[in-house]
Amino acid sequence: SQQGEEDPQALSIQEGENATMNCSYKTSINNLQWYRQNSGRGLVHLILIRSNEREKHSGRLRVTLDTSKKSSSLLITASRAADTASYFCATDAQGGSEKLVFGKGTKLTVNP
Amino acid sequence: GAVVSQHPSRVICKSGTSVKIECRSLDFQATTMFWYRQFPKQSLMLMATSNEGSKATYEQGVEKDKFLINHASLTLSTLTVTSAHPEDSSFYICSARWSTDTQYFGPGTRLTVL
Repeated sequence: SQQGEEDPQALSIQEGENATMNCSYKTSINNLQWYRQNSGRGLVHLILIRSNEREKHSGRLRVTLDTSKKSSSLLITASRAADTASYFCATDAQGGSEKLVFGKGTKLTVNP
Repeated sequence: GAVVSQHPSRVICKSGTSVKIECRSLDFQATTMFWYRQFPKQSLMLMATSNEGSKATYEQGVEKDKFLINHASLTLSTLTVTSAHPEDSSFYICSARWSTDTQYFGPGTRLTVL
């Protein structure tokens, strides 16, 4: 079964607003990554946060990780119409596994 | 960031034929490549992990004789869907990594089997 579960499944906001997406997972991890996918396209790597990190920033993106709750959040500030896409979290299990397990994703729509 | 390409981007074939999809890492040598399958409005499901020069490791439920993977070099992996059927229609995405934890994804291949 999939390890990551995002919520909400779909999110619709206005341009300029902030968008927050959450991800929960079940087992201990080495790191957690967030990816973005435009419709019918490949995935673009956004940010990686390691299990010993609590927060990370990259431009308008802010990711938090709470290993005690096995959850992460992705915040996009000052959203733009071009941020419209699906966002996935992916985790790799502790133990050196190379495999990523993806959540179901959040479809974000930013209305102009 | 690292660039991974896939070819073709779209393919339509008749039932019973075989289709080959190529995945190339353009500016780095990939020690490991991964093949995923994605159904409409769903997440990515890992099909197999491929290391250069060795046999691919398939996930449970993935038929290795149907989805042939060849990782002939550090920059090229191929997925061949043999005797394709309509239920094999899907979006196939590869990814590649070298020494970091990050996987870089290709743009995907849309397969439609008539």
